Amino acid sequence: AQSVTQLGSHVSVSEGALVLLRCNYSSSVPPYLFWYVQYPNQGLQLLLKYTTGATLVKGINGFEAEFKKSETSFHLTKPSAHMSDAAEYFCAVSDRDNQGGKLIFGQGTELSVKP
Amino acid sequence: GAVVSQHPSWVICKSGTSVKIECRSLDFQATTMFWYRQFPKQSLMLMATSNEGSKATYEQGVEKDKFLINHASLTLSTLTVTSAHPEDSSFYICSASPLGGYTFGSGTRLTVV
Repeated sequence: AQSVTQLGSHVSVSEGALVLLRCNYSSSVPPYLFWYVQYPNQGLQLLLKYTTGATLVKGINGFEAEFKKSETSFHLTKPSAHMSDAAEYFCAVSDRDNQGGKLIFGQGTELSVKP
Repeated sequence: GAVVSQHPSWVICKSGTSVKIECRSLDFQATTMFWYRQFPKQSLMLMATSNEGSKATYEQGVEKDKFLINHASLTLSTLTVTSAHPEDSSFYICSASPLGGYTFGSGTRLTVV
């Protein structure tokens, strides 16, 4: 079975500050890990994903995440927050990266950005 | 890129009626689609996996007779909420997985009054 835990349901940062959203996973098989962003009343947009290979993954909008197997973590970071980054962020895990695999989501973290 | 279109974006219906939500893959074929439900300020909960040409696989605790799923073609899956009640009000999102990754529809806000 797979599961995801996001530490902190709400994170608030100042504009220009570092963004750090935490995600820990549990998986009995090599995990495929994803970060999604959701704006109000909209679907999910993929920020980045880890499948295999390089453990530091770069995504859209300046976000990146590092897969740390020893810590079972996949934290999302961005060096400098923008007001437009305010949204809900979801970490997710799957046992594959293609058709048929279930995507299991964490509880979500709401990011607020203060001017 | 892979696009999933979900329709309608929002719907209001009376208690006791049924509502159908459509999920289409526009530029790829999807043998499998997923339906999620999201309550306000909460995460996405997988309801069922929709398989083209066969019965859907429902997650534990999801009422099969309440949430009817049909996946009649490689580009269309539908979710019908039957005899809707106010507690069925929620945000429903579909997803499909083209070659690599998952693509989500824009969601449907269902309000049952």
